[in-house]
Amino acid sequence: DTGVSQDPRHKITKRGQNVTFRCDPISEHNRLYWYRQTLGQGPEFLTYFQNEAQLEKSRLLSDRFSAERPKGSFSTLEIQRTEQGDSAMYLCASSLGYGTGRNQPQHFGDGTRLSIL
Amino acid sequence: QKEVEQNSGPLSVPEGAIASLNCTYSDRGSQSFFWYRQYSGKSPELIMSIYSNGDKEDGRFTAQLNKASQYVSLLIRDSQPSDSATYLCAVNKILRSGTYKYIFGTGTRLKVLA
Repeated sequence: DTGVSQDPRHKITKRGQNVTFRCDPISEHNRLYWYRQTLGQGPEFLTYFQNEAQLEKSRLLSDRFSAERPKGSFSTLEIQRTEQGDSAMYLCASSLGYGTGRNQPQHFGDGTRLSIL
Repeated sequence: QKEVEQNSGPLSVPEGAIASLNCTYSDRGSQSFFWYRQYSGKSPELIMSIYSNGDKEDGRFTAQLNKASQYVSLLIRDSQPSDSATYLCAVNKILRSGTYKYIFGTGTRLKVLA
């Protein structure tokens, strides 16, 4: 299967711990996105990469959050000093696209569900 | 005003009926519009993309776009119980930096009654 892959599927941790999630996009996709989704809400944009460059980061993303895509392939999202409010589903999506014209649709991974105790 | 607005529902329709889902958006510069379906506990899956005014049909699904009125809709014909899910509308937003991001609505929960 060549879809978007996320790891782990579930993460339970204590408040104050650091967590890191990994996303492997569809291989030919140059764009990679991270979203956060809580119950009853749509996905909330966190950040996006085109190749290895992080082009946009939500102002909602505090300094505790950082994302990387070192070689333009897989990406990691790290949350430091986790808080109760970080409990959510973290979704990764990828797409193929250039410029700002018609944007290709994003394809989502299965997500990582984070629970903070 | 939210950037992308959807009625949260639930929208209940009988099996075999047409389900009509609506979405309005605020950014007139938006050029790309998508509908996703999301089952409970699962990730969103793409149903349709639409870029030009008018209708676009794919099987039982028809997406409609009206840029002048800033709305996009999704019609589901011959609704089935398996269509019961939350339907998310997504719109691209061009940023000052020249990059863009996707804005999702909160979704409309559809229930198809057998």
